[in-house]
Amino acid sequence: QKEVEQNSGPLSVPEGAIASLNCTYSDRGSQSFFWYRQYSGKSPELIMSIYSNGDKEDGRFTAQLNKASQYVSLLIRDSQPSDSATYLCAASPGYSSASKIIFGSGTRLSIRP
Amino acid sequence: DADVTQTPRNRITKTGKRIMLECSQTKGHDRMYWYRQDPGLGLRLIYYSFDVKDINKGEISDGYSVSRQAQAKFSLSLESAIPNQTALYFCATSDPRDRWNGYTFGSGTRLTVV
Repeated sequence: QKEVEQNSGPLSVPEGAIASLNCTYSDRGSQSFFWYRQYSGKSPELIMSIYSNGDKEDGRFTAQLNKASQYVSLLIRDSQPSDSATYLCAASPGYSSASKIIFGSGTRLSIRP
Repeated sequence: DADVTQTPRNRITKTGKRIMLECSQTKGHDRMYWYRQDPGLGLRLIYYSFDVKDINKGEISDGYSVSRQAQAKFSLSLESAIPNQTALYFCATSDPRDRWNGYTFGSGTRLTVV
């Protein structure tokens, strides 16, 4: 069974701090990785995708990938109350993002004022 | 209008009833998916379709069936609904030529089976 594992949380972070979310995956053939943000009762929305080892930055978000350790992380700098949501890590076996994506169960993040 | 539209948004049905959830998209994507989400279990794949003539079972297809009526339409049916099918259901689409943007999700259908 190919899996994506996340700590369910909740992870509580003070406003303005860095939130660090982690994810591991079991399929060494995974090539594409995604972070989705999901507000309660809403659909997931893509915030980052990463394919190569190392860091990828987009505004306040940085995704990190280490294929040797089968580890993906998401850093959120200057955390805002609006960042409070569940974050889903996902992995796909193919280079195409349209291959079947396997989702983790999500980490609930709470930003406290 | 939303790129991926799911109907209905909310539905309460009785055990044993047949129910259909519908999904339509204006993205022009060939690939469509049905997921269900339960608290603490993340998104689980029910069925997926890579084109109109291609239908595949996901990890939890028992008790469900699908129909791909056109490139833009993908329906999910519960032949005889049972209470443990109470969940939030999402339709999603993707483009195999688009490496970066993952899935586009619909707004979801909240289904309650009583």
